[in-house]
Amino acid sequence: KQEVTQIPAALSVPEGENLVLNCSFTDSAIYNLQWFRQDPGKGLTSLLLIQSSQREQTSGRLNASLDKSSGRSTLYIAASQPGDSATYLCAVMVKGSGNTGKLIFGQGTTLQVKP
Amino acid sequence: NAGVTQTPKFQVLKTGQSMTLQCAQDMNHEYMSWYRQDPGMGLRLIHYSVGAGITDQGEVPNGYNVSRSTTEDFPLRLLSAAPSQTSVYFCASRMQPGSGYTFGSGTRLTVV
Repeated sequence: KQEVTQIPAALSVPEGENLVLNCSFTDSAIYNLQWFRQDPGKGLTSLLLIQSSQREQTSGRLNASLDKSSGRSTLYIAASQPGDSATYLCAVMVKGSGNTGKLIFGQGTTLQVKP
Repeated sequence: NAGVTQTPKFQVLKTGQSMTLQCAQDMNHEYMSWYRQDPGMGLRLIHYSVGAGITDQGEVPNGYNVSRSTTEDFPLRLLSAAPSQTSVYFCASRMQPGSGYTFGSGTRLTVV
């Protein structure tokens, strides 16, 4: 059974720091991995999608990497800003689930960037 | 704006009442799904659809029904609301296998 773990559960950093959020998964049979951002009381906003054949994806100050063989992904945020404060979720789309396209989510990392 | 639209945003129900959560997308996505988000449990799949007329159960389907008469709409019906269904419900869609999901803004449901 696929399990997704995100460490740390919470992180507080001063503005301007570069930081790394970690995501690990137990089964490498995935189609892709997606990073989301969720603001309090809001929906999920997609940040980056990495296909299983890719190693990394970049969007602005965000860079996500994927090492399928070791079951790990990292989300790197450069020059963090208070507006980056949110919960970050990673999710893997599992293979072997037929047409489900089921996403398995981690519990998230809640990030606070202090001015 | 293109995307996934969910209504209502908030709802309070009494135990035993029924209601329908609406979900619509204008991106011509074939795949649509319903998830619920609970503290400590994360997001879990309720039902999904791979196209108009085709639906199937996810991880936690009990107490919910779905139908998919059009590509655009994927409503979620609570048959007889229970306090255990208090949750935040998200609808999501994607174009094809392997593509990323787009999520709606959610419906926060409280059953008293």
